[in-house]
Amino acid sequence: GNSVTQMEGPVTLSEEAFLTINCTYTATGYPSLFWYVQYPGEGLQLLLKATKADDKGSNKGFEATYRKETTSFHLEKGSVQVSDSAVYFCALSDNTNAGKSTFGDGTTLTVKP
Amino acid sequence: EADIYQTPRYLVIGTGKKITLECSQTMGHDKMYWYQQDPGMELHLIHYSYGVNSTEKGDLSSESTVSRIRTEHFPLTLESARPSHTSQYLCASRGNTGELFFGEGSRLTVL
Repeated sequence: GNSVTQMEGPVTLSEEAFLTINCTYTATGYPSLFWYVQYPGEGLQLLLKATKADDKGSNKGFEATYRKETTSFHLEKGSVQVSDSAVYFCALSDNTNAGKSTFGDGTTLTVKP
Repeated sequence: EADIYQTPRYLVIGTGKKITLECSQTMGHDKMYWYQQDPGMELHLIHYSYGVNSTEKGDLSSESTVSRIRTEHFPLTLESARPSHTSQYLCASRGNTGELFFGEGSRLTVL
C-alpha cells in the first residue's frame, strides 16, 4: 500500500533560519503530492502541491519539488518567521476512484524570535 | 477560502450520550472524509464517501457511523459515547486535483 515518511520532529529554529523537512513516499502509479499546515486549534490547510514528476509547488515562501527518481517531496523555506510555527504534514493522493490520501505523521516546527 | 464547516467546535459530554458531529461543504465535492486526530497529531481515516448514498469505513476501526443523504452534508454519529472516543475529529472534502479541504475540527471530550 501507499505510505509517507516524513522527518521526525519537533524542529526548533531561530527566526530567519533555513528550513528543510524531509518527506519520502511509497506509492503505486503516479500520485499527487501535497504539504499541509496545521496551526494551533485549527484544521489542516493546503500549503502547496505538485501533481506530476519535476513539478515544483510553492506558496508563502515555501517550496517543494516532486522527485520521482528519489520518491521525495522535501519542504524548504529560505527564511522562517515566528508565524510559521505549526505542524506540517506531507501527503499523497492516489488518484483512484476512492481518492484517499495518505499522510505522514506530521512535523512540529517552532520558530523562536 | 475553503467552504467547509464543522459544528460543534468543542463538545464535552457524559458517557453513554449520543452525539452527532456536523460537516457541510458548499463546493459540490463528491468525495468526503472523516479523520480522527490523536494527541500525537497523526491523522487516521475513519470514514469516507464517494458521493450520495455511498459510505465506506476507513483504515482505523471506529464505532461511529456516517451518512450521506445530500452531497453537501456528511454527519458523523456516535450512538453511545465513551471516554475512549475523546479526540479531535476532522472533516474534509476532495478537490479536482486531489487536494483536501478541511474544516476547523470538532474537539470531543467524553467524561
